[in-house]
Amino acid sequence: DADVTQTPRNRITKTGKRIMLECSQTKGHDRMYWYRQDPGLGLRLIYYSFDVKDINKGEISDGYSVSRQAQAKFSLSLESAIPNQTALYFCATSVGSGRGEQFFGPGTRLTVL
Amino acid sequence: DAKTTQPPSMDCAEGRAANLPCNHSTISGNEYVYWYRQIHSQGPQYIIHGLKNNETNEMASLIITEDRKSSTLILPHATLRDTAVYYCIVRSSSNTGKLIFGQGTTLQVKP
Repeated sequence: DADVTQTPRNRITKTGKRIMLECSQTKGHDRMYWYRQDPGLGLRLIYYSFDVKDINKGEISDGYSVSRQAQAKFSLSLESAIPNQTALYFCATSVGSGRGEQFFGPGTRLTVL
Repeated sequence: DAKTTQPPSMDCAEGRAANLPCNHSTISGNEYVYWYRQIHSQGPQYIIHGLKNNETNEMASLIITEDRKSSTLILPHATLRDTAVYYCIVRSSSNTGKLIFGQGTTLQVKP
């Protein structure tokens, strides 16, 4: 079984809808991250969390919110989806050290019409 | 974190070594060089990282110049499955852990 899972893997929604993307991990890592990727570009950080009580904004947090329900779960919400949020979304985890490698999930492809 | 510069694309013949360069001329003393790759819209995969010394693991070797202003990722015997976008990232040891991705190098391994 995969260590970092994301649901759903694909989602098509309409402008104005609320969407939640979920990430779960079995690696026991404290740190979790949400990135988005637009076609032909590298990943950009949306939010990150160092433990259950810690939430931090990344480069592009506007229009998004997150919830760290447990060490193993980190959810990303789009309160009112808009077309320019159409992208590939990745969740990642890492150990507590700032030097640790990050382990990425398989991604969620979101299309907002 | 220091900015990195990579060529947008490279080709390599299957079975030959792939040498992917990265410039990071503004790197500071406590910043590490990381390499990740992304195969066809899958989640990025960690390859290797280093500070000063050259590093080798089962996937690749990382050569860092003495002045640390550039580095080269070496895939010793490239296969078709190594076709991917390769990202060079410089990150401080005190960094919050977040990775800043550039556009990377698209490596095409050809038969």
